[in-house]
Amino acid sequence: AQTVTQSQPEMSVQEAETVTLSCTYDTSESDYYLFWYKQPPSRQMILVIRQEAYKQQNATENRFSVNFQKAAKSFSLKISDSQLGDAAMYFCALSGYALNFGKGTSLLVTP
Amino acid sequence: AAGVIQSPRHLIKEKRETATLKCYPIPRHDTVYWYQQGPGQDPQFLISFYEKMQSDKGSIPDRFSAQQFSDYHSELNMSSLELGDSALYFCASSLRQGPSNLQETQYFGPGTRLLVL
Repeated sequence: AQTVTQSQPEMSVQEAETVTLSCTYDTSESDYYLFWYKQPPSRQMILVIRQEAYKQQNATENRFSVNFQKAAKSFSLKISDSQLGDAAMYFCALSGYALNFGKGTSLLVTP
Repeated sequence: AAGVIQSPRHLIKEKRETATLKCYPIPRHDTVYWYQQGPGQDPQFLISFYEKMQSDKGSIPDRFSAQQFSDYHSELNMSSLELGDSALYFCASSLRQGPSNLQETQYFGPGTRLLVL
């Protein structure tokens, strides 16, 4: 069975600062993808970043980057230069026959 | 770029009524997924279709059924609605390019908010 664990229900960061959201997972598959989705108050699910397990290089999308540690089954999201618009629920997800989501981390951005 | 379209965006029903949710995937995407997200919860997988055939089933109640049509749009039919069915229902689409290729990116629609009174 696949599991995704987000151990931080809530996080807070000041504007322009950096914050890291944690995610650990478990899977018996050797080939898989990992994702971070953002869900703002509108509740739209927005893809933030994707990591292919076979790639050693960590994915980066503008201010968003991941630290993918395959052996440790860890997949954290770093948000640099945080902006008020980054405030949202962030879900870590693991690919399979369907996406398996963590419980989410609510990110608050303060001025 | 075209996104996933869902209709209606909001729906209010009474208990024991039926509801039909529609999903129009991104053009050329071959796979559709349905998820249910209750208040304060993460999305839960209901059912998926690849090339108009049912692919996998998750925690979909027997009262619910779904299908994918020849134009690739999908409908989720919900009967005998219960208060607990009140949730946000997402449709997502992807380009799987093969029945056993599960390494693809899913793009979500805006969701349908269902309220059962």
